[in-house]
Amino acid sequence: GESVGLHLPTLSVQEGDNSIINCAYSNSASDYFIWYKQESGKGPQFIIDIRSNMDKRQGQRVTVLLNKTVKHLSLQIAATQPGDSAVYFCAENDDRGSTLGRLYFGRGTQLTVWP
Amino acid sequence: NAGVTQTPKFQVLKTGQSMTLQCAQDMNHNSMYWYRQDPGMGLRLIYYSASEGTTDKGEVPNGYNVSRLNKREFSLRLESAAPSQTSVYFCASGQDSGYNSPLHFGNGTRLTVT
Repeated sequence: GESVGLHLPTLSVQEGDNSIINCAYSNSASDYFIWYKQESGKGPQFIIDIRSNMDKRQGQRVTVLLNKTVKHLSLQIAATQPGDSAVYFCAENDDRGSTLGRLYFGRGTQLTVWP
Repeated sequence: NAGVTQTPKFQVLKTGQSMTLQCAQDMNHNSMYWYRQDPGMGLRLIYYSASEGTTDKGEVPNGYNVSRLNKREFSLRLESAAPSQTSVYFCASGQDSGYNSPLHFGNGTRLTVT
């Protein structure tokens, strides 16, 4: 199976709260990680990325944390809004011996924001 | 900018029929990809094209063929559709070919094979 996975398949939060979505990976050679947001009926939308030489990166209302020791990735969303309701995927750049490498996607976490 | 455009948005085929899914990007990206997404699963790579003139198999290539028509366009063909190919198909493009920059996705083609 895929090395990229998610600890929780669903997450429900109240509007205004902070959300944390987790992701585990198994290949210590992975050096690039991406978070995507997918709304119903749409394609995945890039949110934020991080390279393995960093352990934290911030965007607008989002922060990605990378813990290489335990091979764990998380996405934090500040002041979660109803528009943040979507499925969130993590993906890793993992060259498992192929000539090009491959982007592996986790199964996703459904985030639901309640008013 | 439109980004990545896929056509058609929906399609119903009977087993054995053929069809081509079209994809075009206007971001001058070098690499293009076809993924399929099945319920409860992540995206799985079917084929990719690292640059114009090259194509390679991904994780699940059986039953599909691709053509990188030019830098902008990358099509996916199902020669003889099977019910197992019922899925949502996403095309994506990327600035480089080494998975070191984010991929940009279209909004998908929802295919049902009966």
